[in-house]
Amino acid sequence: GENVEQHPSTLSVQEGDSAVIKCTYSDSASNYFPWYKQELGKGPQLIIDIRSNVGEKKDQRIAVTLNKTAKHFSLHITETQPEDSAVYFCALGDYKLSFGAGTTVTVRA
Amino acid sequence: DAGVTQSPTHLIKTRGQQVTLRCSPKSGHDTVSWYQQALGQGPQFIFQYYEEEERQRGNFPDRFSGHQFPNYSSELNVNALLLGDSALYLCASSSSTGAGNTIYFGEGSWLTVV
Repeated sequence: GENVEQHPSTLSVQEGDSAVIKCTYSDSASNYFPWYKQELGKGPQLIIDIRSNVGEKKDQRIAVTLNKTAKHFSLHITETQPEDSAVYFCALGDYKLSFGAGTTVTVRA
Repeated sequence: DAGVTQSPTHLIKTRGQQVTLRCSPKSGHDTVSWYQQALGQGPQFIFQYYEEEERQRGNFPDRFSGHQFPNYSSELNVNALLLGDSALYLCASSSSTGAGNTIYFGEGSWLTVV
């Protein structure tokens, strides 16, 4: 599948601060770029997605930016809360998704 | 509106045995994909079913097979289980119609091979 690099692998932030996760990918015709949050023992939960005809999308404290020319997209979480602690995965594809390796986010109270 | 449902949630099998996992897609969805997620890794695509046929397949051996029923539900079968097949198996569903193909996952089936 598509090679997706996700950074950082771990991220610790103080409650109230922002968290940013970046993913880069190789040559691709993918048009769909979702982000998933996975809590321990559960399946991936879709938190936000963006399509290739849009550069930025925001949903409350979560935003995603996409730069198809540079082949990278990022997740931004503002005003982090302890319940934001989880593993976050970027993915891309159309009907078949290729995933990054995940970022473990810890929000310190 | 029920999301993607999977069963069983946990199971333990012996090496060499066969296993069947089941998935019901989100209401209104007609496309089902299966993913394998090893501990500490991102999900890996196994295959996708649409209109009761396998449409795409990832890099998995023929021991992995599936089926989609007329009601869009699906099964994943794994034969001749290996210790390395121990993983979380995820079902994802999407719709072939409408604006875009938002993909939702179920909670998964935890398979342990001993």
